[in-house]
Parts: sequence; structure tokens; C-alpha cells
Amino acid sequence: QVQLVESGGGVVQPGRSLRLSCAASGFTFTNYAMHWVRQAPGKGLEWVALIWNDGSNKYYGDSVKGRFTISRDNSKHTVYLQMNSLKAEDTAVYYCARDPPRSRTSYYYFMDVWGEGTTVSVSS
Amino acid sequence: QSALTQPRSVSGSPGQSVTISCTGTNSDVGDYNYVSWYQQHPGKAPRLIIYDVSKRPSGVPDRFSGSKSGNTASLTISGLQADDETDYYCCSYAGTNTFVFGTGTEVTVL
Repeated sequence: QVQLVESGGGVVQPGRSLRLSCAASGFTFTNYAMHWVRQAPGKGLEWVALIWNDGSNKYYGDSVKGRFTISRDNSKHTVYLQMNSLKAEDTAVYYCARDPPRSRTSYYYFMDVWGEGTTVSVSS
Repeated sequence: QSALTQPRSVSGSPGQSVTISCTGTNSDVGDYNYVSWYQQHPGKAPRLIIYDVSKRPSGVPDRFSGSKSGNTASLTISGLQADDETDYYCCSYAGTNTFVFGTGTEVTVL
């Protein structure tokens, strides 16, 4: 079945780095753009990053721009989120989600399948 | 990228209808018909229930409907059921492949 499974979360000190992974299965991964979305404890959803299906373009939310990097390995059906210079306010559950293709050059711009999330806690 | 504005909470009795508003700007909601809505039960991942303002994915009951006027999108839940009691988020495309979510609304079934 269609599935996204995040991993790599944990407790990390401020200023340190962490890399999250999201393994996809059950669908043609190379057709889909992929998002990372996070949710701080007791707070709402926040869009973090988007990567196109071929990895050629990447986009970020303002709060993570310059610190986080999204990437993907289509041979491994996996998308990554490299998080550097972590801050306490990055503490959240991080979800990956897929975005279906609308045409050869654009996407639907919604998230139709989500993983269960991985928890990141930034604390000294 | 300021969050879209949603009411903190709405409530209704079983069988009634509730409407959740989602107010953005003419750079997001008002400029694109790429508004989606998500239902999220506590401790669970969000679930897509509306996309492209008013379209429902397969498997989503037609009790859920969406619309948009100007800079405000809306989600209406008709025939309210106990299982509808949870959190709802809107999301809009904001140009240049960026996105913004709403502040979230808690629906209570009285």
C-alpha cells in the first residue's frame, strides 16, 4: 500500500545538526514532488520545504531558509531533510507528504499522503 | 509568509452544519485556486479532505464541501457527526512553490 515512513528524529542540542529521512513505498516515487511539514507541540501545521520529483528545484519556508536543506534519492525512494543550526523553536513533529503531478511541469499543490511523523526536540 | 487566519473553534450539534473560514491575502488565497483542507485527529497525521478549493478526494464524504470568495476560503461540514470533532487546517499555495497553512480550527460536536 501507499506509505511514507519518517525516521531520524531525536533530541539534539541547540546549534547542532540532524538529518531526517522519509522512505516511500507503494507508488511511483519519481512522479511526485515531496514536502516536509512540521507541527510544534500544541501548535498548528507549518510548511517547511518542497522538492520537485527530479530534485531539480527546492523551496523553503522563511523560518528555515538557509539552515535546512531538502534532498531526495530517487534510487532509494527516499527524501531527506538536513537540519543545521537547530534552534529550540525547531522542536516539532516533522511530517513528509507527497504532492501529485498535475502535468509534466506542475503539481497539484496539495499533500495527499502523509507519513506518521518523526519527533525532533532541540534542547540543551 | 504569515499564517492564514482561522477561527480558533467552532461548534454545532449532531446533524447541523458548521463553516470554518480561512482568511489570507491577495498573494495566496485570493490569487490562486489551490486551497486545500486537512483534518487532523489528536496524535495522528493530517488527512486531505478538500483540494483545489472545492474538490473532494475519493473516500471523503460529500458532507465536506469547500468554497472561496476573494481572500477567504471556507470549509463546510454538513450533517455533523461525532467523529468530525477534531482539528481542521486550511492551506494555500502562496506563489513561487511556497505554501502557507492556516492557524487551525477545533470543531466541537455538542
